[in-house]
Amino acid sequence: QKEVEQDPGPLSVPEGAIVSLNCTYSNSAFQYFMWYRQYSRKGPELLMYTYSSGNKEDGRFTAQVDKSSKYISLFIRDSQPSDSATYLCAMRAGGTSYGKLTFGQGTILTVHP
Amino acid sequence: KAGVTQTPRYLIKTRGQQVTLSCSPISGHRSVSWYQQTPGQGLQFLFEYFSETQRNKGNFPGRFSGRQFSNSRSEMNVSTLELGDSALYLCASKAGGRNEQFFGPGTRLTVL
Repeated sequence: QKEVEQDPGPLSVPEGAIVSLNCTYSNSAFQYFMWYRQYSRKGPELLMYTYSSGNKEDGRFTAQVDKSSKYISLFIRDSQPSDSATYLCAMRAGGTSYGKLTFGQGTILTVHP
Repeated sequence: KAGVTQTPRYLIKTRGQQVTLSCSPISGHRSVSWYQQTPGQGLQFLFEYFSETQRNKGNFPGRFSGRQFSNSRSEMNVSTLELGDSALYLCASKAGGRNEQFFGPGTRLTVL
């Protein structure tokens, strides 16, 4: 079983929809959580970073972390065709894990006009 | 501030050859991590360097190695290439004491 599970989709939504992307994890040592967006043939781009349970909002994006359930989410409001990409969740443990990120498989999102 | 840069962007090699990939981190970032991305396995951590020292290593064979220079630039080397090494190799940098990692565009390696 993978340490981080992410539904690969694909997910197809109409423009303006609210999108919900989710990851579950099994390693209770994970303390830091990130969401990346990756366009085709590009490197991942950091969207959101959180380190505690609760919500964090940035523009149309909201990241949610529930450490008790080992579950994280990314919500995209008023989705746009330019949001079409692969979304990756990533996590890091504390202590000597330093820069090692563990990624989910990625969810492919398409927002159609 | 310039982002993470990687060279070359594309590379074609044959089995048995070796390859060296280069990464220049964001100015001021001393931590550089390398990842391999494939359709089947997704993004997997290779290793991390900080101040010229490897301080973390993923579960890859010894054919994969790396190093970091005093200016924080990093290289990774893959020897005796196999078909399964075909992948997008990504480099990420972060500032000391921070958790956010920033990725470069990657080097796409094709092994024939």
